[in-house]
Amino acid sequence: EVQLLESGGGLVQPGGSLRLSCAASGFTFSSYAMSWVRQAPGRGLEWLSSVTESGGSTYYADSVKGRFTISRDNSKNTLSLQMNNLRAEDTAVYYCAKIATDGSFDYWGQGTLVTVSS
Amino acid sequence: EIVLTQSPGTLSLSPGERATLSCRASQSVTSYYLAWYQQKPGQAPRLLIYGASSRATGIPDRFSGSGSGTDFTLTISRLEPEDFAVYYCQQYGSSPRTFGQGTKVEIK
Repeated sequence: EVQLLESGGGLVQPGGSLRLSCAASGFTFSSYAMSWVRQAPGRGLEWLSSVTESGGSTYYADSVKGRFTISRDNSKNTLSLQMNNLRAEDTAVYYCAKIATDGSFDYWGQGTLVTVSS
Repeated sequence: EIVLTQSPGTLSLSPGERATLSCRASQSVTSYYLAWYQQKPGQAPRLLIYGASSRATGIPDRFSGSGSGTDFTLTISRLEPEDFAVYYCQQYGSSPRTFGQGTKVEIK
């Protein structure tokens, strides 16, 4: 059974940093691209970033480019998102998602809440 | 960036009725790379349809997807109580991968 478990969310002040992790199990982690998606309270889904199977290529939404860094450790089956210079508008539930062979997001974690507030 | 516009914003229907949800893209979606997700309150999204018309694993056949180019449709043939939720379309043929704003299917 595929499982994705996010951690690392919490309350952080504007301008602060936070590192999210996503522990993957139930599939060959190193064979699939992965992604982060967020959802602000009461809002829709926003794709943030994706990383290829090897970690060699990364992609970002303009809203987080230069502030967020996606990475993966295939030896530990872990996906990460380093978030710097956080803003109030980054407040959201952050989901990690497995990218299927065709590119759709076939499995999602339960999400971790990040609140940016003073 | 491809903008996806979903309509209607809210669909009020009764169990047993047919639901038709629309997703319109600002540019042609590459190679049918269009997915539909269902999200219930407090839960993560769940993949329903990929490749515009292929059902994901375990998805009942009352869910069907169709369309190409810029116009796509999700149809729920007969609504079950567990189908009342928010539905999002997503294009993943070009970067950035974008989502529609969602359609809420609520009980009438």
